[in-house]
Amino acid sequence: QKEVEQNSGPLSVPEGAIASLNCTYSDRGSQSFFWYRQYSGKSPELIMFIYSNGDKEDGRFTAQLNKASQYVSLLIRDSQPSDSATYLCAVLKTSYDKVIFGPGTSLSVIP
Amino acid sequence: KAGVTQTPRYLIKTRGQQVTLSCSPISGHRSVSWYQQTPGQGLQFLFEYFSETQRNKGNFPGRFSGRQFSNSRSEMNVSTLELGDSALYLCASSLGEASYGYTFGSGTRLTVV
Repeated sequence: QKEVEQNSGPLSVPEGAIASLNCTYSDRGSQSFFWYRQYSGKSPELIMFIYSNGDKEDGRFTAQLNKASQYVSLLIRDSQPSDSATYLCAVLKTSYDKVIFGPGTSLSVIP
Repeated sequence: KAGVTQTPRYLIKTRGQQVTLSCSPISGHRSVSWYQQTPGQGLQFLFEYFSETQRNKGNFPGRFSGRQFSNSRSEMNVSTLELGDSALYLCASSLGEASYGYTFGSGTRLTVV
C-alpha cells in the first residue's frame, strides 16, 4: 500500500462547477496535510494545509480532513480554466519528519 | 523577499558522469529538502538538511548525496549518473520544520544521455 494515494485522473469539470479531489494516507499517526498545485512545466505551490478534523476554507478552496477515515479532500468551488493543473496531496507525520507526496490528480476545467 | 533559487535550470550529462545541483533557500529558512520528480514515480523524497545536518533521508542509493552550508545553501550531488536519473530535481525550503508547508524552487531539469 502506498503511503499517500490519489486518483490519477484526469478529472474534467465544466467551468463554474465544483471540483472534488480526494486523497487517502496509510499512516494513522500523520499530523499535517497539504494540497499543492502544479502547473505543467512549473514547480508545486502550496494551496492549503490542514491539521484538524473538519473543514478549512480559503477563498474558493476548502480542505476537508477526516483522520478516522484517513482521508483528506480538496474542493474547488466555481472552477476556472486557470485551475487546470495537477493537484498534489502531501502528508507529514510529525513536524520534523519528511513530507510524503501522492502521485497527483490532473484536473481539467472545461470552458 | 527572494524565493528559492535553484541552479542550473537545465543540465545534460553523460552516463557515468557526476553532477552537482545548488539550492539557495528563502532568507531565514534553515531547512532544505530535495525531491526527485519523474512522470512515473511522482515526487520522491531524497533528503532534508537542517542547520548543516542531514535530518531525514529517503530511499535512494548512496550515489545521491547532499550537504548544507552555514548560510543554509544546499547542494546535492549525483555520482556515476544513470539514464534513470533523468528527472526534475526540486528543492524545497521551510523555516525549520515542515508543518506550514514548503516553498519550492523552479527545479533543475537533468537529462542523462
